[in-house]
Amino acid sequence: DAKTTQPPSMDCAEGRAANLPCNHSTISGNEYVYWYRQIHSQGPQYIIHGLKNNETNEMASLIITEDRKSSTLILPHATLRDTAVYYCIVASLYNQGGKLIFGQGTELSVKP
Amino acid sequence: DADVTQTPRNRITKTGKRIMLECSQTKGHDRMYWYRQDPGLGLRLIYYSFDVKDINKGEISDGYSVSRQAQAKFSLSLESAIPNQTALYFCATSDSPEETQYFGPGTRLLVL
Repeated sequence: DAKTTQPPSMDCAEGRAANLPCNHSTISGNEYVYWYRQIHSQGPQYIIHGLKNNETNEMASLIITEDRKSSTLILPHATLRDTAVYYCIVASLYNQGGKLIFGQGTELSVKP
Repeated sequence: DADVTQTPRNRITKTGKRIMLECSQTKGHDRMYWYRQDPGLGLRLIYYSFDVKDINKGEISDGYSVSRQAQAKFSLSLESAIPNQTALYFCATSDSPEETQYFGPGTRLLVL
């Protein structure tokens, strides 16, 4: 499995964009980048995923560098409810039978 | 109603007791997963099932067993609970390897 590196914690002001980085320098060609978040011991929640191209949905945007060795999750207008631990996961789920391997994530604190 | 439910939500038991955690889903997904989470750590996969007849061990299956009673139900058993099995347990479902996983609310287990 490709490993990911994320900062352990970040702060963001409410209403501002939150940019969460993830390094995955050993990612292989068939591996996707997935982002999940976990709000205070609730079940993890899927945010977004991508392979090569940048992706956007109603929750966030995912920017993947051209060499695919790193990515950034962007929450465009962070709110207090976005305070959570954010997990960047790199996986070729088809080859792994759908297993997600969670690291320690980034604890994002959105402050008023 | 929640798509993925777990019972019980909280449980206290004693060392050596048998305990079963149950997971039900109404999403119609074939794939189901059990994870555990220890304080300050990410999730670790215990068992996963692709359909009723297909069950696979995850990273940390020792001390656990599972039963897939139906497409919608996946139970996790601790045959003889021990204190280091104190953790937060999550069930998840998905529709295919590439798709997102949907998590239940979790079961908080304390083994004394």
